[in-house]
Amino acid sequence: AQSVTQPDIHITVSEGASLELRCNYSYGATPYLFWYVQSPGQGLQLLLKYFSGDTLVQGIKGFEAEFKRSQSSFNLRKPSVHWSDAAEYFCAVGASNNDMRFGAGTRLTVKP
Amino acid sequence: DAGVTQSPTHLIKTRGQQVTLRCSPISGHKSVSWYQQVLGQGPQFIFQYYEKEERGRGNFPDRFSARQFPNYSSELNVNALLLGDSALYLCASNLEAYNEQFFGPGTRLTVL
Repeated sequence: AQSVTQPDIHITVSEGASLELRCNYSYGATPYLFWYVQSPGQGLQLLLKYFSGDTLVQGIKGFEAEFKRSQSSFNLRKPSVHWSDAAEYFCAVGASNNDMRFGAGTRLTVKP
Repeated sequence: DAGVTQSPTHLIKTRGQQVTLRCSPISGHKSVSWYQQVLGQGPQFIFQYYEKEERGRGNFPDRFSARQFPNYSSELNVNALLLGDSALYLCASNLEAYNEQFFGPGTRLTVL
């Protein structure tokens, strides 16, 4: 079965600084990979997804992620963080039956 | 277009009771999935339904059951509630053969 590891439980960055959130996955076939963001008390919003093709994926709100098969990673990046980006970020891997497995999440705090 | 809707928003139950949560998918989406998100953790897959049939099941006890109706809406039932069932229950819908899931705002269940 597929699994996802997000090594960083909590990250703090200053507003305007760059951001990278790490995600490592385990899956035997070509994975479907996702990044979601969740604000407190809210549902999940899809930031970006990778199904196939170009390994650098652009998403909403200025986020991008790069799929590296050799490293089993799908790290999320943003060149300049805004205070409104403070939230919980989840990486997920989808299997062919749409059974998505989520990581435990990384909580992002943005310092003014 | 309306997104995924869930009802109720919040509810409080006592141990041993039964609860039914409801979900309406995005118009045109035929697949509905249910997830449990315990505070501080990522969502965990419970069920997926497509065309009224169960397509996938996560590692949850038989106290959890679900069904999908002809209009593709879905209900999640949990019997004999335990304190550990307290969580945010998320519903997601997606197109027939497309793996991107769209999440509702969730139902917050508190078991006392």
